[in-house]
Amino acid sequence: DAKTTQPTSMDCAEGRAANLPCNHSTISGNEYVYWYRQIHSQGPQYIIHGLKNNETNEMASLIITEDRKSSTLILPHATLRDTAVYYCIVRLLDSNYQLIWGAGTKLIIKP
Amino acid sequence: GAGVSQSPRYKVAKRGQDVALRCDPISGHVSLFWYQQALGQGPEFLTYFQNEAQLDKSGLPSDRFFAERPEGSVSTLKIQRTQQEDSAVYLCASGQQGYEQYFGPGTRLTVT
Repeated sequence: DAKTTQPTSMDCAEGRAANLPCNHSTISGNEYVYWYRQIHSQGPQYIIHGLKNNETNEMASLIITEDRKSSTLILPHATLRDTAVYYCIVRLLDSNYQLIWGAGTKLIIKP
Repeated sequence: GAGVSQSPRYKVAKRGQDVALRCDPISGHVSLFWYQQALGQGPEFLTYFQNEAQLDKSGLPSDRFFAERPEGSVSTLKIQRTQQEDSAVYLCASGQQGYEQYFGPGTRLTVT
């Protein structure tokens, strides 16, 4: 079973920040939070990952609460091309092993 | 640069036929994963290779499913005697230890 829970769907206006929440209350101390997204008919795409500090890259920002039981992915200026299913996953950094996926959040960016 | 490629992109098979799905990982990537994704759901793990060694095949749903990676690069997922419940998108991902997995576009298999 997936170790994370996410809302089934969300809407966001184009040009606004999209904030996608994720709960991972059973995360262990050495597990990282990863975010992927999957645009329709494509394979999943890596977005960002973090352990306990906030992270930012060219695609998004990741905010992890101090107790690490939840996190938020932020797309600062959403575009129509950001419409996708967003998956929050926890895993060990050094593990070569499988990613365990939930159902993700369907994010719809509206013009 | 070249990413993970999969072929064919679409495959229609009659029930009972055998199919072979190919994955070309990113050059030099040691790890290779196969996932199965049903419509509207997240991917589910099938099997994992490190170079040519199949280290985990616990996700393969039955003995009709077989995967190989004989030279540690290209991998093939074979499904024998296909059944309707095998209809899904089959995703391949490659990566280096400790880093993110890069996914191919998937092969959509439809069994009629």
